[in-house]
Amino acid sequence: ETGVTQSPTHLIKTRGQQVTLRCSSQSGHNTVSWYQQALGQGPQFIFQYYREEENGRGNFPPRFSGLQFPNYSSELNVNALELDDSALYLCASSMTSGRSYNEQFFGPGTRLTVL
Amino acid sequence: AQSVSQHNHHVILSEAASLELGCNYSYGGTVNLFWYVQYPGQHLQLLLKYFSGDPLVKGIKGFEAEFIKSKFSFNLRKPSVQWSDTAEYFCAVNSGGYNKLIFGAGTRLAVHP
Repeated sequence: ETGVTQSPTHLIKTRGQQVTLRCSSQSGHNTVSWYQQALGQGPQFIFQYYREEENGRGNFPPRFSGLQFPNYSSELNVNALELDDSALYLCASSMTSGRSYNEQFFGPGTRLTVL
Repeated sequence: AQSVSQHNHHVILSEAASLELGCNYSYGGTVNLFWYVQYPGQHLQLLLKYFSGDPLVKGIKGFEAEFIKSKFSFNLRKPSVQWSDTAEYFCAVNSGGYNKLIFGAGTRLAVHP
């Protein structure tokens, strides 16, 4: 267990709908990163939030958006869902201090199925 | 663009066999390298990491990896696997100014008793 929690565990949506996924970071961590893991693939970086602002983004369209709250928890929002958005969505928390890399601790993920 | 290649998608071994999983990355600058493991039904866990120094790094559960800069490789090894090592293994790279990880596609390892 890492102390990173995600909700819900599973979710089924239909094409065109919108979805919100939630992540609570590990105590003491101030940075949250989101990854998409499609079936049979490695996780792909979506974006990262630090001090409530987006701090880096991967190759994902604007319909993927996020928020970070003052308690460092985070949401991932996906609008206009497409079939290819079906995947496991992983949240990872870390403590950013300076420019050095800081270990990321992953949550169990939310499995999203788009029909 | 940075990328990570894992050569074996599926590996099947018997207990006590030796394991080596290949990982190559494409990035010419300073990198941090990682191996993560995902046991069935569990979250991603860090096995080991390389930042600098001794290119042979030891991780948890008897795993080790060797960083060979000239080959852009970071292969994972274990001398004798156990049934409990059945899992999916991911190689990952971090470079640049923030905590973005680039993962390979993963290697699914099945160890038979």
